[in-house]
Amino acid sequence: ETGVTQSPTHLIKTRGQQVTLRCSSQSGHNTVSWYQQALGQGPQFIFQYYREEENGRGNFPPRFSGLQFPNYSSELNVNALELDDSALYLCASSLAPGTSAMRNEQFFGPGTRLTVL
Amino acid sequence: AQSVTQLGSHVSVSEGALVLLRCNYSSSVPPYLFWYVQYPNQGLQLLLKYTTGATLVKGINGFEAEFKKSETSFHLTKPSAHMSDAAEYFCAVRSTGGGNKLTFGTGTQLKVEL
Repeated sequence: ETGVTQSPTHLIKTRGQQVTLRCSSQSGHNTVSWYQQALGQGPQFIFQYYREEENGRGNFPPRFSGLQFPNYSSELNVNALELDDSALYLCASSLAPGTSAMRNEQFFGPGTRLTVL
Repeated sequence: AQSVTQLGSHVSVSEGALVLLRCNYSSSVPPYLFWYVQYPNQGLQLLLKYTTGATLVKGINGFEAEFKKSETSFHLTKPSAHMSDAAEYFCAVRSTGGGNKLTFGTGTQLKVEL
C-alpha cells in the first residue's frame, strides 16, 4: 500500500509569484484535504476535494485554489504569493467524506515547505 | 463551530516519568477527537482517536487518552516517557455532523530529558 506523497519537498518563491504543490493520495482513497501549517502553529484547513470537486473550504482567500484529477491526485495552487504564505503545506487523503470516522480517517503526507521571500 | 485548546505549548519531562498533554475541545455536536504526533520535518502521524464507545482509547507507542464529556477534555498520557517521544503533539476535533474538516490545536512540544 502506497502512502500519501507530496512534491516538491521544499520550494522557495518570491512575493507575487505563483506556486503549484502536488499530492498523490494513498491507494484506494478518493478524497484529498489540504492544510497550511505556519511555523509554531497547528495545521489549518484550506479545502477538500472529492470526486474532482471542492467539498468544503476553510478561511482562505480565492488565490488559494485546487484541482483533483481522475486518479484522485491533487494540486494546490497559490497565486500572488505573500510573505505570510510561508508555511508547511500538508496534504491528507481519506475515503469518501461522510459521517463514519473510520472512512474519514485522514492520512497525512510529509508536506511541502514553502518559503516566500 | 468547533475549536481545540492545548494547554502548555512546551512540556518537559524526565525519561521514565509520566507524560500528560492537555487538550480541551469545544463542539456543538458530539465530536470525534484525535491526537497526532509530528517529528521534525515530517508530516502528521495518528496516535489515537476517539469516535464512539469506550472513552479510554489506547494508541500507538504506549499512549492513551480519555474522553471526558463533562470536562470537554481529551488529555493524552503515557506512563513512562522515552527519549524517542520527543516531538510535537497536536490534538484535533472533527464534527460528527458531516464534513471532513479537522480543527487542530496549536500543538505541544514535548521534551524528554535524561
